[in-house]
Amino acid sequence: EAQVTQNPRYLITVTGKKLTVTCSQNMNHEYMSWYRQDPGLGLRQIYYSMNVEVTDKGDVPEGYKVSRKEKRNFPLILESPSPNQTSLYFCASSPQVTYEQYFGPGTRLTVT
Amino acid sequence: AQSVTQLGSHVSVSEGALVLLRCNYSSSVPPYLFWYVQYPNQGLQLLLKYTTGATLVKGINGFEAEFKKSETSFHLTKPSAHMSDAAEYFCAVSKAGGTSYGKLTFGQGTILTVHP
Repeated sequence: EAQVTQNPRYLITVTGKKLTVTCSQNMNHEYMSWYRQDPGLGLRQIYYSMNVEVTDKGDVPEGYKVSRKEKRNFPLILESPSPNQTSLYFCASSPQVTYEQYFGPGTRLTVT
Repeated sequence: AQSVTQLGSHVSVSEGALVLLRCNYSSSVPPYLFWYVQYPNQGLQLLLKYTTGATLVKGINGFEAEFKKSETSFHLTKPSAHMSDAAEYFCAVSKAGGTSYGKLTFGQGTILTVHP
């Protein structure tokens, strides 16, 4: 089944404790992206990747890191999480940015 | 920098009435434009998109949108609302080339409520 998977789905952590949210797709898509969704703010793009080893900043990259060492994986790293990073995070992939993006199920992160 | 503004965070219509969700964008280069829908506790699903060609685009579930360059708008419409249309709708824009090609900017979202 074609899908985008994210892990974990729910995470409660404390300020400053490094964490990684994994994202994997099995559709051989070149384009992958991370978003955060906050009430009243919609979705905001954190980082995107046009292909392996090619990443670029979205609208809200501060406090986040990404890497794209393999085509299928695009992990999101929070080196030192802070409470303002409490949010719902979505990973997405598509053949190109102009095509429909396939979204993962979301990861709800709480930083206390 | 590109941006998207959705006018009205909440829109309420009666079943069978016209649905109109407004989206205005700004972009320094020709844009690609998208409408996505999000049902409760789910990810986003593409309704329709404009990349090139015909400015009136038709999508799934009876929705359509028209790209109006002079008005920098991409409003979403549906002639007759159905209860199942109740959801949150997002307009998005990306650049059709140049630097930051691949950056996708979403609007704040519009929650559509449909009354019986």
